[in-house]
Parts: sequence; C-alpha cells; structure tokens
Amino acid sequence: GQSLEQPSEVTAVEGAIVQINCTYQTSGFYGLSWYQQHDGGAPTFLSYNGLDGLEETGRFSSFLSRSDSYGYLLLQELQMKDSASYFCAVLNQAGTALIFGKGTTLSVSS
Amino acid sequence: GAGVSQSPSNKVTEKGKDVELRCDPISGHTALYWYRQRLGQGLEFLIYFQGNSAPDKSGLPSDRFSAERTGESVSTLTIQRTQQEDSAVYLCASSLAGGGAGNEQFFGPGTRLTVL
Repeated sequence: GQSLEQPSEVTAVEGAIVQINCTYQTSGFYGLSWYQQHDGGAPTFLSYNGLDGLEETGRFSSFLSRSDSYGYLLLQELQMKDSASYFCAVLNQAGTALIFGKGTTLSVSS
Repeated sequence: GAGVSQSPSNKVTEKGKDVELRCDPISGHTALYWYRQRLGQGLEFLIYFQGNSAPDKSGLPSDRFSAERTGESVSTLTIQRTQQEDSAVYLCASSLAGGGAGNEQFFGPGTRLTVL
C-alpha cells in the first residue's frame, strides 16, 4: 500500500527558511504533491513533482528524488501567514485519489 | 468563478441517525473526491467519481457509508446509523480530470460532523 512519513511539527521565525521532509512507500508512483491547510480552512494545492529535481514557485520550492523515495517542501522568507499544516500526498494504487501524509504543523513566530 | 461548495457547514446529530452531506463541484470538473479528516489528522480518502465511470469506493470505511453523483454535478455522501467515531470534517474536492497526482484538486470548506 501507500504510506507517507513527515514530521509532525516544525517551528521557525519570520524571515527564516524551513524544509519539510516527506518519505513515501508506494506500489507504483505517479508523483508527489504538496498541500497547505490553514487552521479551520480547506487544503490548497502548492506544488507537484512528477520527475526528480526542484520545482520553484515564488517563495516555495519542492524537491523530489524518486530513487530515495523522498521529497521536501522548502519555504523561504517565512511570514506569519505561512503558519499552517503542510501535507505531502501520492496517488493511491488505483491511480485515482490522493493518499495524504499526516501533515506537518508549521508555526512561524516573530 | 465559484469554488467547491459544501452543505451544511456544520451538522450535529445523535448516534444512530442518518446524515446526508452535499457537495457542489466546480463547473466543468469531471472528477470529484470525498475525504474525511479527523481532528489533527491527515485526509483519509473515501470515494472518487470520474465522469460516468464506476466510482472508486475503496476508501469507504464501512457499508454505512455511501455516495452518489449525478452526472458531473452534485454529489451526496450519506452516512447511515452514525457512530461517534464518524465525527470528523468531511471534505469534498474536484479536479478537471481524474487520476494523475499533478491534477490539482480544489477543496470545499468541508462539513464538520459531530455525532453525540
């Protein structure tokens, strides 16, 4: 089956850089996605890596190494509004819906 | 344009009652998903609809759970004989096409279900 591991909590200060790691075990692999969820809000899509390497979108970047079954989300120039939960996700075995990790709660302080 | 909408936003029910949750996906999105999120946990896949294909029900936790979708529009998730363990936020998402982790899923605000 599919399973994902990510740290439960990360803390950082404004302006800092933080990396949230995700390791996965899958039967078949279709890429790694990242979603952000603010407390009480709906998850929103951040990024997707289908191939090895780094994808950059503004202050956020995501990296994938398929040989290591590992990826990370890099958040730069942290702002208070980045305080949220971040989930990595892979497709299920049927290739239909996403299997999410348990999420990493990021707390940004001033 | 409008995003994914869900109703009700909150539902409190008594153990043993049936509940029906509604999802209106983004117009034109052929794929629709239901997830469950318990407090402080990740999202748990329940069911997936893609166009007129047979739904993927592999995530439904028991036969008390069922869902329907009319064409490529509204979906309803029904939970029969609710149990306290069913208390969670039920999230609906839609995407332009099904499958493919790169197909961005757009989530609704969720329905918070509390079973007393």
